[in-house]
Amino acid sequence: ETGVTQSPTHLIKTRGQQVTLRCSSQSGHNTVSWYQQALGQGPQFIFQYYREEENGRGNFPPRFSGLQFPNYSSELNVNALELDDSALYLCASSTNRGLNEKLFFGSGTQLSVL
Amino acid sequence: EDQVTQSPEALRLQEGESSSLNCSYTVSGLRGLFWYRQDPGKGPEFLFTLYSAGEEKEKERLKATLTKKESFLHITAPKPEDSATYLCAVQVSGGGADGLTFGKGTHLIIQP
Repeated sequence: ETGVTQSPTHLIKTRGQQVTLRCSSQSGHNTVSWYQQALGQGPQFIFQYYREEENGRGNFPPRFSGLQFPNYSSELNVNALELDDSALYLCASSTNRGLNEKLFFGSGTQLSVL
Repeated sequence: EDQVTQSPEALRLQEGESSSLNCSYTVSGLRGLFWYRQDPGKGPEFLFTLYSAGEEKEKERLKATLTKKESFLHITAPKPEDSATYLCAVQVSGGGADGLTFGKGTHLIIQP
């Protein structure tokens, strides 16, 4: 059973650029959630995808968008990067659409915006 | 607005010295309370889910309890490998999928 994998592990971008982060869900999981974790803070919910559709969204602007593919892998896209977007971006997969019991997290992508 | 507050922010213990971490929450309706452990450079790792006041769960040296306003994570006779950041999170009830609301975590250091 493979775990949740994210790529790349580290990324440096310039303000105003666009970035795409990728996530492969754990085998058998059909729900993926994305979280942003700033230094010294807990993770903040960005959005969740279930069977290729957005199934819930946190307090993030529309320049944060996502996709889920038929194999349940996922992408997080961020447009017009701002300095405050610098953070660890975590992907988590699960089998429950609504009840986020036992999320399985990847190790994250560390994004630095200069 | 749903809020989760964890205390203390940081805790340093000697190996074998038992203690408790606190998570207080204010939510409109609790669907579940979760404890996760996060090691440096890694994503959170699931520990427990609690659903109703009075519920308790145990795993090795860890025991989680829940009341109507707070949860405690009790660590008995900790070892250096228990050093990590412990995160508390809540999910609220009410239609659709909502993500977890996390606290800032308690950074726990166990000294040999």
